[in-house]
Amino acid sequence: GAVVSQHPSWVICKSGTSVKIECRSLDFQATTMFWYRQFPKQSLMLMATSNEGSKATYEQGVEKDKFLINHASLTLSTLTVTSAHPEDSSFYICSARDPQQETQYFGPGTRLLVL
Amino acid sequence: DAKTTQPPSMDCAEGRAANLPCNHSTISGNEYVYWYRQIHSQGPQYIIHGLKNNETNEMASLIITEDRKSSTLILPHATLRDTAVYYCIAPFGNEKLTFGTGTRLTIIP
Repeated sequence: GAVVSQHPSWVICKSGTSVKIECRSLDFQATTMFWYRQFPKQSLMLMATSNEGSKATYEQGVEKDKFLINHASLTLSTLTVTSAHPEDSSFYICSARDPQQETQYFGPGTRLLVL
Repeated sequence: DAKTTQPPSMDCAEGRAANLPCNHSTISGNEYVYWYRQIHSQGPQYIIHGLKNNETNEMASLIITEDRKSSTLILPHATLRDTAVYYCIAPFGNEKLTFGTGTRLTIIP
């Protein structure tokens, strides 16, 4: 299947700092990318939909000023967690939609721990 | 998304076929059925998807009933590495995926 990468795979940061997570589709162009969050023993929750060259669409309850999303090219989307707090500690997962396959492929996830 | 219903957990003996059911009685005519799985601490892995016809790939087979109200994912020869949570999803517009609780499949040696 298609490959989606995420970087970093894990990050530990101090409370109040910002963290950027990159998501790349390696072998296809993704007009749409998605960002999810998963807390322990829970299912994935969609945070936002990111379209190349336009503003992201956030799900209800997700603060757009806290979770900044940039989709600057057809193969790269970034999620920046601004002024991170311990409650933002979670597993962040991106996906990219391959329009030719009509399928979303997921990255391996980024584990964020805010101290 | 069309609502999907899956059993919370299933066991299957190693080497046997694992049959995972999914009900999606409210699915609309142009909504695909997608199957993903998530192995512990990893991102979800795409398995297979289909619309009306049965589908097969190197990982699994997907059997969709004629009325499209239910489907079954078949892993023909389950191995220990198939232990995971399996998600059946019928996304509206075939875009946004809404993950339910899925089926926790445990392969038993």
